[in-house]
Amino acid sequence: EPEVTQTPSHQVTQMGQEVILHCVPISNHLYFYWYRQILGQKVEFLVSFYNNEISEKSEIFDDQFSVERPDGSNFTLKIRSTKLEDSAMYFCASAKGSRTGELFFGEGSRLTVL
Amino acid sequence: AQTVTQSQPEMSVQEAETVTLSCTYDTSESDYYLFWYKQPPSRQMILVIRQEAYKQQNATENRFSVNFQKAAKSFSLKISDSQLGDAAMYFCAYRGTNTGNQFYFGTGTSLTVIP
Repeated sequence: EPEVTQTPSHQVTQMGQEVILHCVPISNHLYFYWYRQILGQKVEFLVSFYNNEISEKSEIFDDQFSVERPDGSNFTLKIRSTKLEDSAMYFCASAKGSRTGELFFGEGSRLTVL
Repeated sequence: AQTVTQSQPEMSVQEAETVTLSCTYDTSESDYYLFWYKQPPSRQMILVIRQEAYKQQNATENRFSVNFQKAAKSFSLKISDSQLGDAAMYFCAYRGTNTGNQFYFGTGTSLTVIP
C-alpha cells in the first residue's frame, strides 16, 4: 500500500542551525502539507502546497520556514535558523483531492533543538 | 477560524467493552468534512472514519461508528468491542470546503484499553 515516507525520523540540532526535513508523498497525490505537534499538544497546520506553490500557510510558518518540491517527488521543509520552540514532531501529509480527500500522514520527523 | 474541541484528554475502556470519544467543533460553513484519526505509539496518524456533513446517515466502519449531530456541531466516535490494538491517541479533525485545504485538529484523546 502506498505511503508517505519521511526522513530523518529524529534529528537533533543546535539552536540557530538550518534543518531540512524530507518527505516523499504518495505518488499520485496533488496536495501536500506540513503539520507539527509539540509534545502533548494538538497537531498544528503549517503549510499546504499545490501546483508547485504554497496555497495556504499559518501564522507559525514565518520567514524562517520554507518548502520546496525540487524534483516532483520530494517535498521538503526547511527551517532556516532553528529556535528552541521549534522542537516538535513534524508530519508531512498528502491528499489526492482538494476537498473530500483524506490526509495520508507520514510517521513524522522528531526535531530536537538544543 | 474553525476550532475543534476534544474535552476528554484521557479515556479508558475495558477490553470488549464500548467507549465513546467526544468532539465538538465550531464553524459557519454548511458543507464540510469530519474525520477521526488514530495515532498509535508508532506515531503515524491513520484515518479511522470520515463523515460528510451533507450526509444525515452516520458513518460506520466495522467496530467504529460516529454520532454526527450537525445542529449541535458534535461528532463523537464510538468504538465497540474494544481491542488492545485500539489503544492510541485519537484526533478529531475538520476540513471545510470554503476555508482552504487545511485540516483543523482537536487536542486529542488518549485511549487506554484495559485487558
